[in-house]
Amino acid sequence: QSALTQPASVSGSPGQSITISCTGTSSDIGGYNYVSWYQQHPRKAPRLIIYDVSNRPSGVSNRFSGSKSDNTASLTISGLQAEDEADYYCNSFRSGSTLWVFGGGTKVTVL
Amino acid sequence: EVQLVESGGGLVNPGGSLRLSCAASGFTFSNAFMSWVRQAPGKGLECLGHIKRKSDGGTTDYAAPVKGRFTISRDDSTNTVYLQLSRLKSEDTAVYYCTTQWEVNAFDIWGRGTMVTVSS
Repeated sequence: QSALTQPASVSGSPGQSITISCTGTSSDIGGYNYVSWYQQHPRKAPRLIIYDVSNRPSGVSNRFSGSKSDNTASLTISGLQAEDEADYYCNSFRSGSTLWVFGGGTKVTVL
Repeated sequence: EVQLVESGGGLVNPGGSLRLSCAASGFTFSNAFMSWVRQAPGKGLECLGHIKRKSDGGTTDYAAPVKGRFTISRDDSTNTVYLQLSRLKSEDTAVYYCTTQWEVNAFDIWGRGTMVTVSS
């Protein structure tokens, strides 16, 4: 099965805003509001930062926000900080076997 | 504290088998939807499959690359979920994570992972 499509890398300067896209199909992102986003620092486990398209778990900075339009979900990081440098993965419920599918990941670099 | 701790990783020959364990604590394990996710070196996250809670049938589902070779099971008496790996290939080399959807419809709890290396 194909993963959701994310850009390989995105960069920005401290204080700027960046947006990461995640493109799927009507069988996943377009069909359900079960899109989530994960942050992963090197040699660490992934950490949930957005669920159900736009909700933040307790303890996650409000600088992270999520949205969705048709078959594409987006993660925006505002007020970029050095600690935001990490890999980011989207995930969605997908009808059929496996049920959940990840994007290929986006490396965020803070210039 | 809600926690998942994986164990059982190691070096195994191609064609071999290994059983990974994931011990859960801090939440009602018997109600949990448990999943396994892996990450090959330098690569992205890959969902391998899941096992539903017994009240939902306790059924399993697997990703195409591992279907027929990997088996997920659970023991609610010991709060443990297992991943049996068999007929291992070099491309199965990865960190294997146990994760669950505890409070939301997303993987909100993760273990630290256990490394599996398939090599002769």
